[in-house]
Amino acid sequence: DTGVSQNPRHKITKRGQNVTFRCDPISEHNRLYWYRQTLGQGPEFLTYFQNEAQLEKSRLLSDRFSAERPKGSFSTLEIQRTEQGDSAMYLCASSLGLAQAGLGYTFGSGTRLTVV
Amino acid sequence: DQQVKQNSPSLSVQEGRISILNCDYTNSMFDYFLWYKKYPAEGPTFLISISSIKDKNEDGRFTVFLNKSAKHLSLHIVPSQPGDSAVYFCAASFSNSGGGADGLTFGKGTHLIIQP
Repeated sequence: DTGVSQNPRHKITKRGQNVTFRCDPISEHNRLYWYRQTLGQGPEFLTYFQNEAQLEKSRLLSDRFSAERPKGSFSTLEIQRTEQGDSAMYLCASSLGLAQAGLGYTFGSGTRLTVV
Repeated sequence: DQQVKQNSPSLSVQEGRISILNCDYTNSMFDYFLWYKKYPAEGPTFLISISSIKDKNEDGRFTVFLNKSAKHLSLHIVPSQPGDSAVYFCAASFSNSGGGADGLTFGKGTHLIIQP
């Protein structure tokens, strides 16, 4: 297990289409996070899971966004009826416990979404 | 409302010299701070962190200083090497006290360029 894996790396979609991204965390990590990064900005927190439970959702996560982690392993992030403003890098991260444990999170390389 | 601010979008430093990256925060509830490094087309990589009960943490060439009264932290890299050229993000969090946010709040990043 070499790290956090995200697929696809790139996605180009037409406005109004639905898209789904997948994240495979480090296997022993019980926490999984989704962040979004737009050009010139730092990553912005979207949501996180502890095992299969979704414990926190940012107000950035509109009702067009849904995230799941059905068996406490991989996670999916779906965006329905995509808009041009959804164009961003979507980053997944995983951790064993809180960031305060001193290890930070391990991020994947991200999925770059372009809505045309 | 930017709670974590990195006011220098870029910084150029000569190889072998000290690089100092600065970060300010506004939320006094933050009690844990992290620095991440990001290369193009990769996810952020955890570098070093500091708890609010400390004012300094050192790891090899990297030292983070925290001034709680000024709500300011800095990352020192000594000596700077060409491989340090990357975007550096400052991030902050507060302890999860039963339902509180567990996500990190990031600054916009500083692009560090090490000149040979």
